[in-house]
Amino acid sequence: DAGVTQSPTHLIKTRGQQVTLRCSPISGHKSVSWYQQVLGQGPQFIFQYYEKEERGRGNFPDRFSARQFPNYSSELNVNALLLGDSALYLCASSYSPPGSWHQPQHFGDGTRLSIL
Amino acid sequence: AQTVTQSQPEMSVQEAETVTLSCTYDTSENNYYLFWYKQPPSRQMILVIRQEAYKQQNATENRFSVNFQKAAKSFSLKISDSQLGDTAMYFCAFTGLANSKLTFGKGITLSVRP
Repeated sequence: DAGVTQSPTHLIKTRGQQVTLRCSPISGHKSVSWYQQVLGQGPQFIFQYYEKEERGRGNFPDRFSARQFPNYSSELNVNALLLGDSALYLCASSYSPPGSWHQPQHFGDGTRLSIL
Repeated sequence: AQTVTQSQPEMSVQEAETVTLSCTYDTSENNYYLFWYKQPPSRQMILVIRQEAYKQQNATENRFSVNFQKAAKSFSLKISDSQLGDTAMYFCAFTGLANSKLTFGKGITLSVRP
């Protein structure tokens, strides 16, 4: 079975632009989470979706938004890009709903976003 | 709010030797999960081992084992018989039961020397 797939792998944007990152979860997984990983740091939680509903939001500005589609794939949108948005954006999927005991998350390879 | 602290920024170990990576965390919850993730230069985050807080027995996965001290809120990872392929960043992470949000530490860079 395919793992979590993310596209694109690399992206270069300029300040003020908008970007959309995509994620396809492992088949059968209904929960998708997004994380931002700045170089040299641990990932920071941005959003979690389960069954197309937002189930958690991290401490990120409203420029960040996401959604989940009926096939459980997800998009992360970032508007009005800033230099500080340069990071690796990781998507993770899980079989279990939030709050479940069995919730190992499987990560994709990430999208490297560079802001010039 | 939960916090995860990894105070060692980097470590080095000789191939075939044993190394221990430290992690402490803070939470007011009684039931939760703790994880160690490995991130090689290829950047994919790979789950190494996980521990359920309600289990007293320490988790083991082949060469990887943890020392979970719930009262001290300590969760260290021991890698036995280190291999060159273990070279990577290692992240300690926590999740409560309210949601599946993972809280990560800053990570530690582990280098295995031949």
